[in-house]
Amino acid sequence: DTAVSQTPKYLVTQMGNDKSIKCEQNLGHDTMYWYKQDSKKFLKIMFSYNNKELIINETVPNRFSPKSPDKAHLNLHINSLELGDSAVYFCASSQAPGQYYEQYFGPGTRLTVT
Amino acid sequence: DAKTTQPNSMESNEEEPVHLPCNHSTISGTDYIHWYRQLPSQGPEYVIHGLTSNVNNRMASLAIAEDRKSSTLILHRATLRDAAVYYCILWRTGNQFYFGTGTSLTVIP
Repeated sequence: DTAVSQTPKYLVTQMGNDKSIKCEQNLGHDTMYWYKQDSKKFLKIMFSYNNKELIINETVPNRFSPKSPDKAHLNLHINSLELGDSAVYFCASSQAPGQYYEQYFGPGTRLTVT
Repeated sequence: DAKTTQPNSMESNEEEPVHLPCNHSTISGTDYIHWYRQLPSQGPEYVIHGLTSNVNNRMASLAIAEDRKSSTLILHRATLRDAAVYYCILWRTGNQFYFGTGTSLTVIP
């Protein structure tokens, strides 16, 4: 049973398109995250939700919009895709927000914008 | 900014201990030190975390310097499966956390 799952695993699309990535966790956690990992393997937090409420909103273009329909799901919608959006996007979850809790990561979605 | 500094790469022989260092000189009193690792083509995986005291779990040990400006992740017996990029992260109150560039560990059979 996969703890944190993401779909799709690979996404190839053209500039200007709109796409979504879905994430689901079956751990019963309250907090979920989106990260972006660029070609240099640097991981950067984008968003975090706790009980469906946005608690972290880093400096990210407003073309990126997260949505949490319930505690177990956090989706990422990207409008007007650009070449620079090409990266691996990871979803993660933790029992609660804060420094004490470990995060569980999904397998990642490799987005390629052509 | 809370930042961490790690060597870009390290090598270890299989079945020998590995000490992965991390400097975090700007750490503040309530910052937690977390370690994650990322195997090739996988998502990061939690390894260990601590605040002030040394910590042990089934995967590794975390040794934290007395002034907390540095820490060391210890893998007691490296296996080929431990080849990964290891990230040292400072986790600050208010959900601020900072991933460094990581150390790529190569395990030699």
